[in-house]
Amino acid sequence: AQTVTQSQPEMSVQEAETVTLSCTYDTSESDYYLFWYKQPPSRQMILVIRQEAYKQQNATENRFSVNFQKAAKSFSLKISDSQLGDAAMYFCACLDNTDKLIFGTGTRLQVFP
Amino acid sequence: EPEVTQTPSHQVTQMGQEVILRCVPISNHLYFYWYRQILGQKVEFLVSFYNNEISEKSEIFDDQFSVERPDGSNFTLKIRSTKLEDSAMYFCASSYRQGSYGYTFGSGTRLTVV
Repeated sequence: AQTVTQSQPEMSVQEAETVTLSCTYDTSESDYYLFWYKQPPSRQMILVIRQEAYKQQNATENRFSVNFQKAAKSFSLKISDSQLGDAAMYFCACLDNTDKLIFGTGTRLQVFP
Repeated sequence: EPEVTQTPSHQVTQMGQEVILRCVPISNHLYFYWYRQILGQKVEFLVSFYNNEISEKSEIFDDQFSVERPDGSNFTLKIRSTKLEDSAMYFCASSYRQGSYGYTFGSGTRLTVV
């Protein structure tokens, strides 16, 4: 069974600084997809970024980028130029071969002015 | 931007009562999902639905749960006899293809069983 581990329950960053959220996963699949979702206080789950495991190039979406290390099964999220609106819970997730997302336990990110 | 709409946003029900949580997926999406998040815990898969039938379901999705797409636009989750432990945030999601591009989630229904 796939597992996703987020070892940082909470992180904090100052506005305009950079922060990295960690995620490791375990899967026996050779082809899979990884995601980061943001959950602000409104509780909606918002897709931040996705990575296809067969692509070596790290995904980037504006201020958000990932460091995907396939051999190490690591998938960290880097947020550059942090903004107050980035404060939220961030969930790492892996899509298994039955088309369901396996989520980590989340990292709560606080952003200080 | 198209949205997945869930109603109600918050529902309080008495233990043993039936509840129906409603979702309107994005109109051209073909794959539909329900997930739940017990307060302070991780998001868990409940069920996936495609072509008018369940594709996958988790151990949580027992006989008390059912899903339906009654009219081609709504996608509902029914809990027949609610228990206290069913209190959670329930998220509906949809996608055009299978979820490799990431689902679009709704804003959730907070279910409180008293």
